[in-house]
Amino acid sequence: EVQLLESGGDLVQPGGSLRLSCAASGFTFSSYAMNWVRQAPGKGLEWVSCIINSGTTTYYADSVKGRFTISRDNSHNTLLLQMNSLRAEDTAVYYCAKSAYHNTCYNMGVWGKGTTVTVSS
Amino acid sequence: DIVMTQSPLSLPVTPGEPASISCRSSQSLLHSNGYNYLDWYLQKPGRSPQLLIYLSSNRASGVPDRFSGSASGTDFTLQISRVEAEDVGFYYCMQAIQIPYSFGQGTKLEIK
Repeated sequence: EVQLLESGGDLVQPGGSLRLSCAASGFTFSSYAMNWVRQAPGKGLEWVSCIINSGTTTYYADSVKGRFTISRDNSHNTLLLQMNSLRAEDTAVYYCAKSAYHNTCYNMGVWGKGTTVTVSS
Repeated sequence: DIVMTQSPLSLPVTPGEPASISCRSSQSLLHSNGYNYLDWYLQKPGRSPQLLIYLSSNRASGVPDRFSGSASGTDFTLQISRVEAEDVGFYYCMQAIQIPYSFGQGTKLEIK
């Protein structure tokens, strides 16, 4: 069964850092681009970042560019999101989502259950 | 950045009746390959989003054929031929022609 399991969400102070992980199973992780999508409490979906299968190309939303870094460890089937300089507006459930393609990020057919990040003092 | 505008934002529907959700993009989503780069996602209550439609009109695996998508210029439509109780939730369109990808505000479908 194809599965994605996020972890690492926590309560963190403004200006702090956090690293999210997404463990993939049931498919050839190294063959697909992967995304992070977030949802603030009571709000809609916001695309955050994407990384192609090889890890050589990454993309970011303007709201996180320069603060967040997406990466992947294909040998351990893991997607990562390093989040620095966190702000209150980064508070959200963070989902990882699998693309259907190796070098483009849309057609996100598999989603994890999400991990919650709360930025507050 | 491309802005996606959905309507209506709330859609009460009687079971068995059809439903239609519109999504308008601020720029063309038409690729040179002839495809419109638009996905539709459904987020059921308390659940993660799920893919319904990709490239504006292609149903994802396992999606019932009562769901269909269409495009006309920068206007996109998700249609449900006969709404069932399990279809309740928030529906989102998402453009994928340009980074950063962007979602519409979401349309809440509820049963009358």
